[in-house]
Amino acid sequence: AQSVTQLDSQVPVFEEAPVELRCNYSSSVSVYLFWYVQYPNQGLQLLLKYLSGSTLVKGINGFEAEFNKSQTSFHLRKPSVHISDTAEYFCAVSDSGNQFYFGTGTSLTVIP
Amino acid sequence: ETGVTQSPTHLIKTRGQQVTLRCSSQSGHNTVSWYQQALGQGPQFIFQYYREEENGRGNFPPRFSGLQFPNYSSELNVNALELDDSALYLCASSRRSGGTEAFFGQGTRLTVV
Repeated sequence: AQSVTQLDSQVPVFEEAPVELRCNYSSSVSVYLFWYVQYPNQGLQLLLKYLSGSTLVKGINGFEAEFNKSQTSFHLRKPSVHISDTAEYFCAVSDSGNQFYFGTGTSLTVIP
Repeated sequence: ETGVTQSPTHLIKTRGQQVTLRCSSQSGHNTVSWYQQALGQGPQFIFQYYREEENGRGNFPPRFSGLQFPNYSSELNVNALELDDSALYLCASSRRSGGTEAFFGQGTRLTVV
């Protein structure tokens, strides 16, 4: 079985400051890792994904994440946040059948 | 904007009633999954359909059922609604291969009173 833990439920950060959203996962099989963003009253939009290969993955809107197999982590980072980054962020794992298992989410609030 | 369309966008039902939610998948995608997102929580996997058959199910009771049609669109049916069924229901379409991106619709907000 797969599970995802997002360690921070809320992260406030000042505009133009760096941010890291933490994600740890557990799985008995090989999985694929994703970060999705959800704006208010909307569905989920893919930020980035890790399938294999380079452990540093770059996504949209300046976000990147690093896969660390030994620590079973997939933390999301951005060097400089903008007001428009305020949203809910979800880490997820999927299996070979493309069934997704999500964390409980991290609410990122960018403060002007 | 993805090609996944869900209807209706909002719905209010009374406890004990039945509801049907609909999803049109993105062109070229043969797999549809449904998720329940309670307020303040992450989406929870309900079930997945591939080639019109259920292909995996999460920890949801049998009163949650679904269909997939030949054009890959899908329905989620919930019988005997309970107050705890109030949530955002998300549909996701993808290709069958593992590791491919799932494209999510805007969701249907179901309120059970």
